[in-house]
Amino acid sequence: QSVLTQPPSASGTPGQRVTISCSGSSSDIGSNYVYWYQQLPGTAPKLLIYRNNQRPSGVPDRFSGSKSGTSASLAISGLRSEDEADYYCASWDDSLSGWVFGGGTKLTVL
Amino acid sequence: EVQLVESGGGLVQPGRSLRLSCAASGFKFDDYAMHWVRQAPGKGLEWVSGISWNSGRIGYADSVKGRFTISRDNAKNSLYLQMNSLRAEDTALYYCAKGLMVVVTRGFDIWGQGTMVTVSS
Repeated sequence: QSVLTQPPSASGTPGQRVTISCSGSSSDIGSNYVYWYQQLPGTAPKLLIYRNNQRPSGVPDRFSGSKSGTSASLAISGLRSEDEADYYCASWDDSLSGWVFGGGTKLTVL
Repeated sequence: EVQLVESGGGLVQPGRSLRLSCAASGFKFDDYAMHWVRQAPGKGLEWVSGISWNSGRIGYADSVKGRFTISRDNAKNSLYLQMNSLRAEDTALYYCAKGLMVVVTRGFDIWGQGTMVTVSS
């Protein structure tokens, strides 16, 4: 069982806005940054959001991140078929002195 | 171009050892922490270990503590993972990942393509 909690699946139609939640605790999300990773089928994960809401260069502004207390969210607007992937949240955990991931959310574009 | 290339994976019997390597290029290796993250077949991501830029801070997941050892050679731009007493549950694709900063607590951005480790008799 993952330390961070994500819904196992999410879906939307092209053009829609979808959000993926990530719930943690005071020792991880509550006191550290949240990162989001996109993993397309058969490929390595790719950094999507860092420091809660920052996008690396090359990541479209359709992707946005937010954090409040011990929870975080990833929002994808203007959904496209190429967004179909697994999405993972991650955070440093002060109690474990290590990184923790969410279980991943499989996004389906209908 | 920033690139990470893992090697050393393979089929190994339970209780045996394996050493993974990660060759880095395209960035100043000793300016960043480095990590190993694994993914069991059909499962999610699990952080295994991380090492700061100068090896001054090292961390391990509880699942591998005491069995795995991370190290780096900045002169060779290389990261390593020595895996001892391997178990069936260590079977996974092992990714090398570049940290965002010198410290291990600031996330990772670039990932390699991974090297598969299968522990089975």
